[in-house]
Amino acid sequence: IVMTQSPATLSVSPGERATLSCRASQSVGTNLAWYQQKPGQAPRLLIHGAFIRATGIPARFSGSGSGTEFTLSISSLQSEDFAVYYCQQYNNWPPALTFGGGTKVEIK
Amino acid sequence: EVQLVESGGGLVKPGGSLRLSCEASGFSFSIYNMNWVRLTPGKGLEWVSSITSTSSDRFYADSVKGRFTISRDNAKSSLYLQMTSLRADDTAVYYCARDREAVVEVADSLGSWGQGTLVTVSS
Repeated sequence: IVMTQSPATLSVSPGERATLSCRASQSVGTNLAWYQQKPGQAPRLLIHGAFIRATGIPARFSGSGSGTEFTLSISSLQSEDFAVYYCQQYNNWPPALTFGGGTKVEIK
Repeated sequence: EVQLVESGGGLVKPGGSLRLSCEASGFSFSIYNMNWVRLTPGKGLEWVSSITSTSSDRFYADSVKGRFTISRDNAKSSLYLQMTSLRADDTAVYYCARDREAVVEVADSLGSWGQGTLVTVSS
């Protein structure tokens, strides 16, 4: 399953909303996760099950979608939210986890 | 607190071998499936390999199949990745990651990650 993220780079001003897209080459149901990664740091799980926030993740992060089309929204971007975001599907067993190419959210 | 600490990275020549380790603490290691994921500058995050909690099953990305071997020692709460026939395109930061939940024969998101260890393959 190929995961395609768009756009590759998103320029957003602090306080604005960011909308990131992820498309799967075939249906993955809601077996879709989103991760945030900052330079020099490990990825952090934000969303699993397409729309369930992981423990400790602020409410300004929200996920939606099912099947092949997914969205991660970040309302009112904070300075600490500028990072690279990856989607990942985990629909199959045996596992063949696949990640999207990432979206870099940068300061406008 | 869940902690995953990788070690064993370094500079290795093409065709060489390296063994990565991941020491886990803060959770019941023996009941979780574990994974290796790598970050490359050009490709982003790439899943490398997974192993079930009892080591009954091991899975590999096509790009490493036949060259890498995943293993674990539940008594030592440790995960390993033996890498052989290394190539330049294996250059990456390698992360150890735990499934979010202790599930059986179900793929899951990756709930906890280590800080990574850098592997550089170059002559």
